[in-house]
Amino acid sequence: DAGVIQSPRHEVTEMGQEVTLRCKPISGHNSLFWYRQTMMRGLELLIYFNNNVPIDDSGMPEDRFSAKMPNASFSTLKIQPSEPRDSAVYFCASSPGTSEAETQYFGPGTRLLVL
Amino acid sequence: GNSVTQMEGPVTLSEEAFLTINCTYTATGYPSLFWYVQYPGEGLQLLLKATKADDKGSNKGFEATYRKETTSFHLEKGSVQVSDSAVYFCALNQGGSEKLVFGKGTKLTVNP
Repeated sequence: DAGVIQSPRHEVTEMGQEVTLRCKPISGHNSLFWYRQTMMRGLELLIYFNNNVPIDDSGMPEDRFSAKMPNASFSTLKIQPSEPRDSAVYFCASSPGTSEAETQYFGPGTRLLVL
Repeated sequence: GNSVTQMEGPVTLSEEAFLTINCTYTATGYPSLFWYVQYPGEGLQLLLKATKADDKGSNKGFEATYRKETTSFHLEKGSVQVSDSAVYFCALNQGGSEKLVFGKGTKLTVNP
């Protein structure tokens, strides 16, 4: 299996620009998670989906952030407009089911730098 | 709310040394507990997990026991290798959902 695929791996943009991060989960997995990792705040869950439906978006920092999952094999996280404080590594993860003890499989991450 | 507290890093050890990384948690009910590892430039991957009290998770020589009485899930390895150099995250699920709450991470460096 190819694992969770994220693109781009690196993104450098200027403040005010729109940024779109993409994720392809492992085939057959029912849940998808978006995380943000920074030195100051550690690893934070932004939003997660079950069967393409957003279940909990309480971690989304503000209205500038939005996430979609139009089908089982694709999700996007969009930041518009971007700000320097959005600079971080963004991870997508997927898991096979919906139980509490499910393993989450992480992608390699997208390193975002907003200038 | 639920939370995880890990020992502060970084931790630097010589090869074949004994490793302990402390993890304690606060949670309602009986969460599942996890250790994830992040190698440089990669995403996190599951190292081991335990789903109920007194369970021991183990993988690649690492072990951790779910201690309900001390609300702890300390990670141990008897003899570390250079290839174990990574950041280690303790995590718990929030009961009734799939949400994971992560500790801050502990960076381990193993020198030859």
